[in-house]
Amino acid sequence: GDSVTQMEGPVTLSEEAFLTINCTYTATGYPSLFWYVQYPGEGLQLLLKATKADDKGSNKGFEATYRKETTSFHLEKGSVQVSDSAVYFCALSHSSASKIIFGSGTRLSIRP
Amino acid sequence: NAGVTQTPKFQVLKTGQSMTLQCAQDMNHEYMSWYRQDPGMGLRLIHYSVGAGITDQGEVPNGYNVSRSTTEDFPLRLLSAAPSQTSVYFCASSYLGTGEQFFGPGTRLTVL
Repeated sequence: GDSVTQMEGPVTLSEEAFLTINCTYTATGYPSLFWYVQYPGEGLQLLLKATKADDKGSNKGFEATYRKETTSFHLEKGSVQVSDSAVYFCALSHSSASKIIFGSGTRLSIRP
Repeated sequence: NAGVTQTPKFQVLKTGQSMTLQCAQDMNHEYMSWYRQDPGMGLRLIHYSVGAGITDQGEVPNGYNVSRSTTEDFPLRLLSAAPSQTSVYFCASSYLGTGEQFFGPGTRLTVL
């Protein structure tokens, strides 16, 4: 069945460091890929998405590119801020279904 | 737009008690779902619905019931609470086939 694997956390970085959170997926066909973010004490919210191969999703300085050949959707940001501290979830969904499959989440902490 | 609302925000139950967690959305989304999130873990799907009158089981349905009498509301009922049901519960909704889910703020449930 479909699945999402993302790097284990926690990830701790200093402010202004470069961020990469790895995400790979296993799926039939051509799913849509997502990154969700969960700030402390809140529900998840969509950060960015890509719906086809080679698409780049971007939002709030974060980017991720849908790589069909490596089945990956790694999250990157050039310069992180303390306010980026949160849990990040990679996810996939097929257009023929509404269920979304989440990875296990990666906790990110940014030191001032 | 209120988005997805959940009540209550916090609840403490004794083992064996029953209760209903409320979820409502005002976006006319067909798809609604319930997840639980345990400490340090990802999301697990409990039940979902693709429209009024239609519900189905997710990954961890035992001990929970749902109903969907209207498009807007999707309550989750705990039949006989157990300590293993201590968790944070999230409700989410989306249009069918998009995978782009909107989450409520969560209900933190403790079962003693």
